[in-house]
Amino acid sequence: GQQVMQIPQYQHVQEGEDFTTYCNSSTTLSNIQWYKQRPGGHPVFLIQLVKSGEVKKQKRLTFQFGEAKKNSSLHITATQTTDVGTYFCAGSRAGNTGKLIFGQGTTLQVKP
Amino acid sequence: GAGVSQSPSNKVTEKGKDVELRCDPISGHTALYWYRQRLGQGLEFLIYFQGNSAPDKSGLPSDRFSAERTGESVSTLTIQRTQQEDSAVYLCASSLELRGGQPQHFGDGTRLSIL
Repeated sequence: GQQVMQIPQYQHVQEGEDFTTYCNSSTTLSNIQWYKQRPGGHPVFLIQLVKSGEVKKQKRLTFQFGEAKKNSSLHITATQTTDVGTYFCAGSRAGNTGKLIFGQGTTLQVKP
Repeated sequence: GAGVSQSPSNKVTEKGKDVELRCDPISGHTALYWYRQRLGQGLEFLIYFQGNSAPDKSGLPSDRFSAERTGESVSTLTIQRTQQEDSAVYLCASSLELRGGQPQHFGDGTRLSIL
């Protein structure tokens, strides 16, 4: 079945350093969404990417969708302690676009 | 309410008992999803509902798991004859409609512990 792999599983950075998490799908995706889950909290929607090669920015966060629509990345510039949490990518396939398959997540720790 | 509401927030029960988890989606959201999240793991899709269409049950791990939804409102997830591996947080989410591009809004989950 469809799988979405995410790496790394954990990342510890010093505050101010950059951070990137990568997401790879075994099949072509219709779209990809990113969510953030703070410790003890529930996932919160960050953004959606739909077009091949699309790049979107939210302040210090940059999201990319690969040309083949099989991979995506989230890059955070100059991390802050408020960035701590687990970042999940979630993809859906054409024809079943409501069903999201989540990656395992990347847990980010930021040392002040 | 303003967000997705789940109850109970915590449930501790003995192995072999049945449990029922409840989800109240955001008003007007036609799509509703259930996920399971084991400690330190990602979200495992269980089932989704869209209006009056047949639900997609492809993620239910065994026939001990079932879910119902009345129209476009409350949903219940039932686990029969619970086992220790059922211990997890069960998350419910809703979205405006079942199509790509709609963000899913999550509840705080029910933390289920099987003794």
